[in-house]
Amino acid sequence: EDQVTQSPEALRLQEGESSSLNCSYTVSGLRGLFWYRQDPGKGPEFLFTLYSAGEEKEKERLKATLTKKESFLHITAPKPEDSATYLCAVRVLMDSSYKLIFGSGTRLLVRP
Amino acid sequence: GAVVSQHPSWVICKSGTSVKIECRSLDFQATTMFWYRQFPKQSLMLMATSNEGSKATYEQGVEKDKFLINHASLTLSTLTVTSAHPEDSSFYICSARLGRDNSPLHFGNGTRLTVT
Repeated sequence: EDQVTQSPEALRLQEGESSSLNCSYTVSGLRGLFWYRQDPGKGPEFLFTLYSAGEEKEKERLKATLTKKESFLHITAPKPEDSATYLCAVRVLMDSSYKLIFGSGTRLLVRP
Repeated sequence: GAVVSQHPSWVICKSGTSVKIECRSLDFQATTMFWYRQFPKQSLMLMATSNEGSKATYEQGVEKDKFLINHASLTLSTLTVTSAHPEDSSFYICSARLGRDNSPLHFGNGTRLTVT
């Protein structure tokens, strides 16, 4: 069964304290891994797409990496405005159509 | 800026009534839109795939007669929760793909439905 697991469930950081979020997956045929940011009461906001092991993407304080089994979202010197839930999703071919399977997210709180 | 607009952002209704949620793609045509449901502190669960000009494809366990989806134009899909019950209270989010199959989904800002 295709599965996406994110850890930790919640993470509290001090401003400037770098850390990493993990997304591990077991799927039969990955067609892309996506990272989203979701603020409370809002829809997810697209951050990155990764397609192959070894690929990396960066945007401001965020950097996403991908291996054959997992992806990491590295947050360097976070600021309070980085506080949000970060969702990982994998795209798989299921029943002749592509679908996204989401993890349950990591709730990040960055304290000033 | 936002590429997918969802309305309303929140709605409160009484048990037994129906509620319609609109999802519009802004400045692009979306032949396919997706409807998700999210419970507090849980992940997004795909409910159905909305196809312009044809019937929606529902995920296993989602009642098609309860969650009516209409994709009447290339920029609008609607989800109607019929005969709503308190257990239907949730956060409903629509999404659309801006480009080809491997491009990311862009999400609306969601609709918080509360059924009293």
